[in-house]
Amino acid sequence: DTGVSQDPRHKITKRGQNVTFRCDPISEHNRLYWYRQTLGQGPEFLTYFQNEAQLEKSRLLSDRFSAERPKGSFSTLEIQRTEQGDSAMYLCASSPGLATNEKLFFGSGTQLSVL
Amino acid sequence: GEDVEQSLFLSVREGDSSVINCTYTDSSSTYLYWYKQEPGAGLQLLTYIFSNMDMKQDQRLTVLLNKKDKHLSLRIADTQTGDSAIYFCAEMAPGRGGYNKLIFGAGTRLAVHP
Repeated sequence: DTGVSQDPRHKITKRGQNVTFRCDPISEHNRLYWYRQTLGQGPEFLTYFQNEAQLEKSRLLSDRFSAERPKGSFSTLEIQRTEQGDSAMYLCASSPGLATNEKLFFGSGTQLSVL
Repeated sequence: GEDVEQSLFLSVREGDSSVINCTYTDSSSTYLYWYKQEPGAGLQLLTYIFSNMDMKQDQRLTVLLNKKDKHLSLRIADTQTGDSAIYFCAEMAPGRGGYNKLIFGAGTRLAVHP
């Protein structure tokens, strides 16, 4: 098991373009989280999946953002019509889903730069 | 709402102890966590403490929890240059659907100098 994998590591795009990121969680982890981290800040919660069900979306996730986890394994996060304010590190984390102790294991993140 | 606050910067000499402090707001948090982030990397779970504990020790790491004051600290003994990183405090907060999510502080940048 190689841990949580994210692809790509870096993405540079022009304003208005669409981008998609992929996250492969640790196998058999049924919980998957997306967080966003801007410079000098801690990770901010975006959304969460229990298996294939998206159970919560933060107010930070505007209509331009969509996340999926179609088969309960890997997940994708798409940003449409990117804006400069979307520039951030997008972090994916997974958890085995033990009820009381939510230990999250993070990937290395996708660094998005919108020009 | 939930909020986690940390001091932003700490500088220590190699070999000294480092103490990173954190305050949180959700008194119902059952677990509190410390994560470490090195440049260009994701977050690595260092340790965690259950809310009914006052202290937890794990090798060079000691976590102290004052639940009354909602204060958490991380002590790193014999700090090494490899400990230079950003340290995040996080509290477990309830989410929808019966799960828990983590709320992070802004992080404390630890700089270790010779």
